[in-house]
Amino acid sequence: DGGITQSPKYLFRKEGQNVTLSCEQNLNHDAMYWYRQDPGQGLRLIYYSQIVNDFQKGDIAEGYSVSREKKESFPLTVTSAQKNPTAFYLCASRPNLAKNIQYFGAGTRLSVL
Amino acid sequence: GENVEQHPSTLSVQEGDSAVIKCTYSDSASNYFPWYKQELGKGPQLIIDIRSNVGEKKDQRIAVTLNKTAKHFSLHITETQPEDSAVYFCSMDSSYKLIFGSGTRLLVRP
Repeated sequence: DGGITQSPKYLFRKEGQNVTLSCEQNLNHDAMYWYRQDPGQGLRLIYYSQIVNDFQKGDIAEGYSVSREKKESFPLTVTSAQKNPTAFYLCASRPNLAKNIQYFGAGTRLSVL
Repeated sequence: GENVEQHPSTLSVQEGDSAVIKCTYSDSASNYFPWYKQELGKGPQLIIDIRSNVGEKKDQRIAVTLNKTAKHFSLHITETQPEDSAVYFCSMDSSYKLIFGSGTRLLVRP
């Protein structure tokens, strides 16, 4: 079953804690993206990666970190420096730089305890 | 900077009526304009897209129009059904990223 898998579906963070959201794709896509979605709002880009071992900051990267050690995996860490982490986090992938369609996972909802 | 404005923010129509969502953009270099549908608690799904070398594209009850001169594009849904109720996002491609509009919540009343 091909696609983009995000886990967990729901995640709770305690104050001062770092948490990591998983994103895995078996589509052999080159590029991967992380977005944040707040209630009633659009998608804002956090980080993106066009190839393995390379990534760029998006519009709201502060308080977040990523890695891209494998083509199929692009985990997002929400650090304690992110003071307002409660949101719906979406991961997406794109086949290659020539084909600019993005496909999304089902999302992870992060809440603060 | 690059920006996409989307209107209306909410839209309520009677089942069987048409729905139109409009977007304007600022980056004239963009050549690709996808539309996404997001159901509650799920990730957005691509429903239709258009490239700058065409003015209109249709797929069954859904159509998208693009006016590059005026920098606006629109989504048209005809014969709306309750399952069309969702949030719709327009977007444009910009330097390997997608810039999204703020979304339109469509409610189709039975």
